[in-house]
Amino acid sequence: QQPVQSPQAVILREGEDAVINCSSSKALYSVHWYRQKHGEAPVFLMILLKGGEQKGHEKISASFNEKKQQSSLYLTASQLSYSGTYFCGTESGSNYKLTFGKGTLLTVNP
Amino acid sequence: NAGVTQTPKFQVLKTGQSMTLQCAQDMNHEYMSWYRQDPGMGLRLIHYSVGAGITDQGEVPNGYNVSRSTTEDFPLRLLSAAPSQTSVYFCASSYSGQGIDTQYFGPGTRLTVL
Repeated sequence: QQPVQSPQAVILREGEDAVINCSSSKALYSVHWYRQKHGEAPVFLMILLKGGEQKGHEKISASFNEKKQQSSLYLTASQLSYSGTYFCGTESGSNYKLTFGKGTLLTVNP
Repeated sequence: NAGVTQTPKFQVLKTGQSMTLQCAQDMNHEYMSWYRQDPGMGLRLIHYSVGAGITDQGEVPNGYNVSRSTTEDFPLRLLSAAPSQTSVYFCASSYSGQGIDTQYFGPGTRLTVL
């Protein structure tokens, strides 16, 4: 089942903060975050693993609540370059199948 | 390194035609995958492979075949194209250990089936 992302869209002014949430009905092994700009391929941001290990960009932070099967991506002091669609992908039980949410469209204005 | 390459970038097919979308990576990644992306639907996994000779179905495998004869290549075959297969197709690769690692995506193939 597809994870649910919220909000579906958010508009920020440069310098503002945003939180994007990802929720699954299944027990999760890992949560992956990607950003996609219009007409381009998705680009890796973060991986959060069951047990607390994280891997990703220094300027991006995220959390993973294993008990609630939820993850949140925190974008602080947003820049124009942060604009794009953010996708979370979830993997259950280390099964090598990543299921992506429908995405959150983030627009950062000057 | 070229990373993940996909050919062609654009393709128009008629209903019933077959074709192969090519995907290659030069990072020696064990894991490779194919996704399709439709407006408002996110990325949906079609097939994946954890190594040469090993493939498995994803979320939406019907109408597609894959094979993995080498570590580098992972072609996706459309057997008999249908308008419902109009989409943008992305290939991705990553290291694999216990689960999927960072995926590197190719630039995509935009397919239209008339």
